[in-house]
Formats: sequence, C-alpha cells, structure tokens
Amino acid sequence: SQTIHQWPATLVQPVGSPLSLECTVEGTSNPNLYWYRQAAGRGLQLLFYSVGIGQISSEVPQNLSASRPQDRQFILSSKKLLLSDSGFYLCAWSGAVRVREQYFGPGTRLTVT
Amino acid sequence: GQQVMQIPQYQHVQEGEDFTTYCNSSTTLSNIQWYKQRPGGHPVFLIQLVKSGEVKKQKRLTFQFGEAKKNSSLHITATQTTDVGTYFCAGKGNQFYFGTGTSLTVIP
Repeated sequence: SQTIHQWPATLVQPVGSPLSLECTVEGTSNPNLYWYRQAAGRGLQLLFYSVGIGQISSEVPQNLSASRPQDRQFILSSKKLLLSDSGFYLCAWSGAVRVREQYFGPGTRLTVT
Repeated sequence: GQQVMQIPQYQHVQEGEDFTTYCNSSTTLSNIQWYKQRPGGHPVFLIQLVKSGEVKKQKRLTFQFGEAKKNSSLHITATQTTDVGTYFCAGKGNQFYFGTGTSLTVIP
C-alpha cells in the first residue's frame, strides 16, 4: 500500500532563517506531488505541484521554492523565512492519470517567530 | 479566475441534527471530490463524483453533483460527534481547486 511521509511534524524558525521540508512517498511510481499551505482555520492554498522529476509548477508567487530530485521525493524550501510563511504545510500525492484523488501527508506545522 | 466557494463557513449543530454544506464553482467542473479534515489532522479523501446529477451515499453521508456540474452538496444525516471537522470540496475546471471549507461542530 502507498504511504506518504512528511517531516518534521512541527518547526519553529526565526525570521530570515532558511527552510527545508521533505516529503516522500512509498508504494507508487511516478506520482503527481503537491505542496499546500493552510493558514489557521483557513482553506488549502496550492503552492507547487510536480508531474515528474525536475518538473515544478508554481501556483503562487512567493518566498518559497520546490524541488523534486527523485521520483518520490518532494522538497519545499525557502532561503529566508517571513512571518507570513507561518502555517500548516501539507504534501499530497495522486495518481498520474486523469484527475485523481489526493492523499495527504500528516503535515508540518511551521511557526516563524 | 475560477473560484470554488463553500457555504456555510461554519456550522454548529446538536448531535442528531442533519448538516449540509454546499459547494459552488464559477466554472463547469469535470469532477468534484470531497475531503474531511479532523481538527489538527490532514485532509482525507471521501469520494469523487463525475457524472452530471450523480448521487452517492456513504452510510449517513449523501453527496450530490449538480446537473450543470457547477455545484455539489454533502449532507450528513443524524450527525455524531465523530463528524466534527472541516469538509472541503475540490474540483477541476481550468485548474484543480479546493473549496473554502465548512467547519462542522457537533454539540453533544
């Protein structure tokens, strides 16, 4: 069966510090991968999605970047965090064929102080 | 641009009452998906509807996809405390979007 891992679960970082969040998927090949951000009590904002290694689409201009160095690895990064980067970051995967349901990881709760 | 709105944003119900959340898109959707997010948790896929006018049931949950494929609803019969959480619709028009969500509180 497929599983998706995210780490760390929680993170407190000072403003201006770098960020690296990692997401890995097991049990599937060539998945579509997604990064979402959810502010407290709010909806899901799609940040990036990827249909293959090295292929990244950005949905919202921001202080963040994403990379997919391996088929089942998706990384969210920032060189300098802003206060507004605080939130709940969720990684998700879906099958590559047509519009399929998404399966979410447990998320990383980021607080920028 | 495409928007997917949900109403209400918040709903408090007594345990045993029914609950409905509505999802409305500004564009025609090829499909609609529903997710549930428990407090502190991550969204979990519930169901996908594809056909115009489609109705699907999962125990006490009834999902409908509108005839014009621009709206959908989720109805929960006789809510229980385990139904607490935020319910999101998601659909693909020009792009794939999640709705704004409806947060359900069930009062025992």
